[in-house]
Amino acid sequence: QVQLVQSGAEVKEPGASVKVSCKASGYSFSDYYVHWVRQAPGQGLEWMGWINPKSGDTDYAKNFQGRFTMTRDTSISTAYMELTSLTSDDMALYYCTRGSGLTSMKQPNNYWGQGTLVTVSS
Amino acid sequence: DIQMTQSPSSLSASVGDRVTITCRAGQGINNYLAWYQQKPGQAPKLLIYAASTLQSGVPSRFSGSGSGTDFTLTINYLQPEDVSTYYCQQYERAPRTFGRGTKVEIK
Repeated sequence: QVQLVQSGAEVKEPGASVKVSCKASGYSFSDYYVHWVRQAPGQGLEWMGWINPKSGDTDYAKNFQGRFTMTRDTSISTAYMELTSLTSDDMALYYCTRGSGLTSMKQPNNYWGQGTLVTVSS
Repeated sequence: DIQMTQSPSSLSASVGDRVTITCRAGQGINNYLAWYQQKPGQAPKLLIYAASTLQSGVPSRFSGSGSGTDFTLTINYLQPEDVSTYYCQQYERAPRTFGRGTKVEIK
């Protein structure tokens, strides 16, 4: 069955960087876009961007251009997101989620990781 | 960016009631509209996609309708386990914008 397993919670100081991993299993990792979604405490869902695991191409939401980077390692079916220059506004749950197939019709985000809590505190 | 306007932001209904949540897109999205359910402490779960297609395993009391820019999620015979926050999302183009969510509670 399709699974996305994310790395554990992180505590970072302001100004630091954080890198979260998302390991996929149960399907061909390179054949589906991986998206990242953020949820601040008590708030709604905010789409951050997607990565094409086959080509490495990315698309970032405007709010996340500059400090946010998505990468992948196809040899271990894992996607990564890195956020730099952390502030208290970046405290949130970060989810990876599977999107459309590279060659299929548009698909919703039907598989989600368990979320990774990033805490920013001095 | 396509703005998604979801209403109401919260509602309280009795067990067995019919509940309706609406979502309006800022422009046409070719019915690439999904509804998600999120329970506290859990990741979102896909309920409906393509505006009206029920995801496998989702109870049939959930239904979606609409086209163009106006969409609706209906829960027939509200159950205690339906207490959640519900989000609409357009996936016609990036950024895949979400509505701000509707928190559903039991009276």
